[in-house]
Amino acid sequence: SQQGEEDPQALSIQEGENATMNCSYKTSINNLQWYRQNSGRGLVHLILIRSNEREKHSGRLRVTLDTSKKSSSLLITASRAADTASYFCSTNSGGSNYKLTFGKGTLLTVNP
Amino acid sequence: KAGVTQTPRYLIKTRGQQVTLSCSPISGHRSVSWYQQTPGQGLQFLFEYFSETQRNKGNFPGRFSGRQFSNSRSEMNVSTLELGDSALYLCASSYDPDRRLGIYFGPGTRLTVL
Repeated sequence: SQQGEEDPQALSIQEGENATMNCSYKTSINNLQWYRQNSGRGLVHLILIRSNEREKHSGRLRVTLDTSKKSSSLLITASRAADTASYFCSTNSGGSNYKLTFGKGTLLTVNP
Repeated sequence: KAGVTQTPRYLIKTRGQQVTLSCSPISGHRSVSWYQQTPGQGLQFLFEYFSETQRNKGNFPGRFSGRQFSNSRSEMNVSTLELGDSALYLCASSYDPDRRLGIYFGPGTRLTVL
């Protein structure tokens, strides 16, 4: 079963609007990361939030983490056409037996 | 610091051939993991190495293998290529064995099997 599941699967907004995507997971974690992937390219690390943190900001990005609900959200404010990409979350529980898994991602389209 | 680098970036092979992909982690990172990404299956974990030892393996056939060298560089090998092996292969590195400082990806190698 997937550990990180993104929601919604697709999101289409206008430039300047905010975009919110969510991630749910099943087991306890050490940290959670959000990534961006432009079509056919590698995953770009956006932000890491640790299990003892509730909110983190980086530029136009805001990530929240609710460990009681096993969920995280990524907010992109004042979106730009260049933000068009797929966004993935991944969770890390540490340890040698841990297999990093990803959901199918959220495909964000920002229309100019 | 330079990021994770992967070579080659693009590769075209024919069925039955074998291929070796290379990954250089971020300087100081000792963990390297590999992933396969296809439109149908999404991102799937292949294996992870830490200090030259394979720590974990995903559900892939034995045709997929890898290794890590003493300088933390890693290679992944796929033998007897099948059409279904066409995919983007991503390598990622992390500093510590529990990945507390994050996992960082390279740009990927696009493999096409004809």
